Amino acid sequence: QVQFVQSGAEVKQPGASVKVSCKASGYTFTSWPIHWVRQAPGQRLEWMGYINTGIGYTRYSQKFQGRVTITRDTSASTAYMEVSSLTSEDTSVYYCASGFCGSDCFILEYWGQGALVTVST
Amino acid sequence: DIQLTQSPLSLSASVGDKVTITCRASQTVNKNLNWYQQKPGKAPTVVIYATPSVQSEVPSRFSGNGSGTEFTLTITSLQPDDVATYYCQQSYSYPRTFGQGTKVEIK
Repeated sequence: QVQFVQSGAEVKQPGASVKVSCKASGYTFTSWPIHWVRQAPGQRLEWMGYINTGIGYTRYSQKFQGRVTITRDTSASTAYMEVSSLTSEDTSVYYCASGFCGSDCFILEYWGQGALVTVST
Repeated sequence: DIQLTQSPLSLSASVGDKVTITCRASQTVNKNLNWYQQKPGKAPTVVIYATPSVQSEVPSRFSGNGSGTEFTLTITSLQPDDVATYYCQQSYSYPRTFGQGTKVEIK
């Protein structure tokens, strides 16, 4: 079955960087893009960006452009999302998600379990 | 960015009631509107995609409707397992955006 397993919770100081991993299994890794979505405590879901796992193309929300980097390691079937210059406003659960419903269709059918990143002194 | 506004932000209904949640987009998204269910402490799961397609294994009491800028998610007979927060999300343009969420509770 399709599964995404993310790295564990992190506590970071303001100004630091964090890198979250997302290991995929149960399908051909390069077939589907992987998206990253975050959710601050009590807040709505927020789309951050995605990577085309086949060719490595990335696209980011303008809000995160320049501060977020999404990469992948096809040999490890793993995607990564790094956020730099962390502030308290980056305290969130970070999810990876993916799925496929056709060439003209978008779906986040499979989600990782989430990784809580806490930014605090 | 396309803004999505949900209403109501919370609702309380009895088991067996019909429940409707509305999602309005700041500009047209055609039919590129998805709905997700999120239970406390869990990742979201997709309920409706590319309105009105119902995700496999989602109970038939869930349905999605609409096009352009106005969409609805309907639960025809509310069940205790439906207690969750529901989010709409547009996939018409980037960045993908989500609504604020609607919290559904049992009265």
